[in-house]
Amino acid sequence: QLEESGGGVVQPGRSLRLSCAASGFTFDNYDIHWVRQAPGKGLEWVALISYDGNIKHYADSVKARFTISRDNSKNTAYLQMSGLGAADTAVYYCVRQNDAWAAFDSWGQGTLVTVSS
Amino acid sequence: QSALTQPASVSGSPGQSITISCAVTSSDVDSYNLVSWYQQYPGKAPKLIIYEVNKRPSGISNRFSGSKSGNTASLTISGLQAEDDADYHCCSHGDNTTLRVFGGGTKLTVL
Repeated sequence: QLEESGGGVVQPGRSLRLSCAASGFTFDNYDIHWVRQAPGKGLEWVALISYDGNIKHYADSVKARFTISRDNSKNTAYLQMSGLGAADTAVYYCVRQNDAWAAFDSWGQGTLVTVSS
Repeated sequence: QSALTQPASVSGSPGQSITISCAVTSSDVDSYNLVSWYQQYPGKAPKLIIYEVNKRPSGISNRFSGSKSGNTASLTISGLQAEDDADYHCCSHGDNTTLRVFGGGTKLTVL
């Protein structure tokens, strides 16, 4: 199970940190991604962190503004977001990549981030 | 740069079969073999229903099947039921920067 928190309303240009608490599985065996969905739109991949935290990748739309991290001792992943703009308004999902399949086999319920003045 | 293209909407009547296409444009051959499909109800998180083009996770109905022809992957739902009324998203590998790419999503309406 994955559970996101930290969403809310934030002013343009400000920062926000999302958390993703994992339970029920061996967290440090799995790569974790963040995927977002703007209101009424499709899914957009945002970032990846490898199981050990050594590999990180970002979508071009968030590169240099967002930072993904994890604390395996706390079974938690994070997404630090800065320089937020209206285009970042979305539900943000924490997602587990299956360790054998090239697919996302577990999704959190999502947390809504609204960027508005 | 990789891209996945889905129809915006499809519809069908209960008992019928429908197919949702996902056209893959990519220079990475893996993109054509690693397509996954997700079902999403309004206000809910997506759920994996097909991975690696045509494989079903445990617990997914065999009414859902995946296939591939050329550069197009497809999701077929047979024996349509009211509960299949949802959004469906395809996904695959992208390139070295955009690691995963999603299609725009398809709204399935069960008439």
